[in-house]
Amino acid sequence: AQTVTQSQPEMSVQEAETVTLSCTYDTSESDYYLFWYKQPPSRQMILVIRQEAYKQQNATENRFSVNFQKAAKSFSLKISDSQLGDAAMYFCAYRGSNTGNQFYFGTGTSLTVIP
Amino acid sequence: DSGVTQTPKHLITATGQRVTLRCSPRSGDLSVYWYQQSLDQGLQFLIQYYNGEERAKGNILERFSAQQFPDLHSELNLSSLELGDSALYFCASSVYRGTDTQYFGPGTRLTVL
Repeated sequence: AQTVTQSQPEMSVQEAETVTLSCTYDTSESDYYLFWYKQPPSRQMILVIRQEAYKQQNATENRFSVNFQKAAKSFSLKISDSQLGDAAMYFCAYRGSNTGNQFYFGTGTSLTVIP
Repeated sequence: DSGVTQTPKHLITATGQRVTLRCSPRSGDLSVYWYQQSLDQGLQFLIQYYNGEERAKGNILERFSAQQFPDLHSELNLSSLELGDSALYFCASSVYRGTDTQYFGPGTRLTVL
């Protein structure tokens, strides 16, 4: 089975600064999708950003961007100009094209934003 | 608001009891997924349905079962409940084609006393 690893259980960042959350995955598939979800204290799971493996260009959504390194099987999330509302648990997720529609989630990184 | 609805929001019950959690997917989504998130844990995939048929099974206990109805809403049935079943149960939906992003409902918090 595919595995997704988030090696940073907790991270902190000063407000307005930039932080990068790490994610690595293990797969033998060549076609797949990667996602970052945010879970604030409300516990709602919110999609932050999505990357298709066949696209070389890194995805960007406003202050959120990814650094996708396919050969290294790495998918990090960069949050620029951090805001208090960014404080949440962040989950990295993988979906392969040959694994049905099953998502594999990492264990999450808890991000604290310091005012 | 993701467009996925789940009821009830909270559920408190006793060990040995049976409960049913309900999920309505986003309009147009054919696939429904169920996840369990225990306290301070990641998401554990339980089961997936597509257009009424079971498509994938994860770490779902035999005491748990699910189904998807013709109107595409889904129910997760949990029986012979144990203290360890206390968790947040999420439903997510997707179109099942293309990028297939999963959109999550707000979750049902189950407390077993």
